[in-house]
Amino acid sequence: DAMVIQNPRYQVTQFGKPVTLSCSQTLNHNVMYWYQQKSSQAPKLLFHYYDKDFNNEADTPDNFQSRRPNTSFCFLDIRSPGLGDAAMYLCATSETGNYGYTFGSGTRLTVV
Amino acid sequence: AQSVTQPDIHITVSEGASLELRCNYSYGATPYLFWYVQSPGQGLQLLLKYFSGDTLVQGIKGFEAEFKRSQSSFNLRKPSVHWSDAAEYFCAVGAGGTASKLTFGTGTRLQVTL
Repeated sequence: DAMVIQNPRYQVTQFGKPVTLSCSQTLNHNVMYWYQQKSSQAPKLLFHYYDKDFNNEADTPDNFQSRRPNTSFCFLDIRSPGLGDAAMYLCATSETGNYGYTFGSGTRLTVV
Repeated sequence: AQSVTQPDIHITVSEGASLELRCNYSYGATPYLFWYVQSPGQGLQLLLKYFSGDTLVQGIKGFEAEFKRSQSSFNLRKPSVHWSDAAEYFCAVGAGGTASKLTFGTGTRLQVTL
């Protein structure tokens, strides 16, 4: 089945140690999103790619970066994770103008 | 800027009882509205969406929602709740534009008692 896959499901990283989260899709959707969801809070959009065009939300910290080497893959890089970055990170895809988001199962990040 | 308010943080209903989850939105134009469900440790699954047309929309798992422009509301309903419906429910509004960005509410956690 076509889907959005996030790896790993659980990630533990040390304070200040760079970490990369992965998202892949088989839907061939041209838009990919990264959301951060802290405990008992709404998912918050960090950035999105429209094809190769990167779009950062105004309040996304500089500590967060993203790469999209091709249509299928998108990565979230956290350069120096702090304790406040512990959260569920959700990847989603959609087609242009189509609000049919497909979400991955998320990566739960723990910072120790 | 668009926003979504879900006034109920937590709701408990008995299995077989009816359910209504409230959602109010703020958006300058005709909104694109959504309800998503999230089981613990999982991603979000789309229940239903409203773009235009009939203000009562049907979704998966027996859910429906009604768009009321005069009240800026998009409440989610189910006539008879099942224990497996226990989850977190998020209302979202579309921000428009080519990338279809969504703004989510803070969610309502549904507990179902047997």
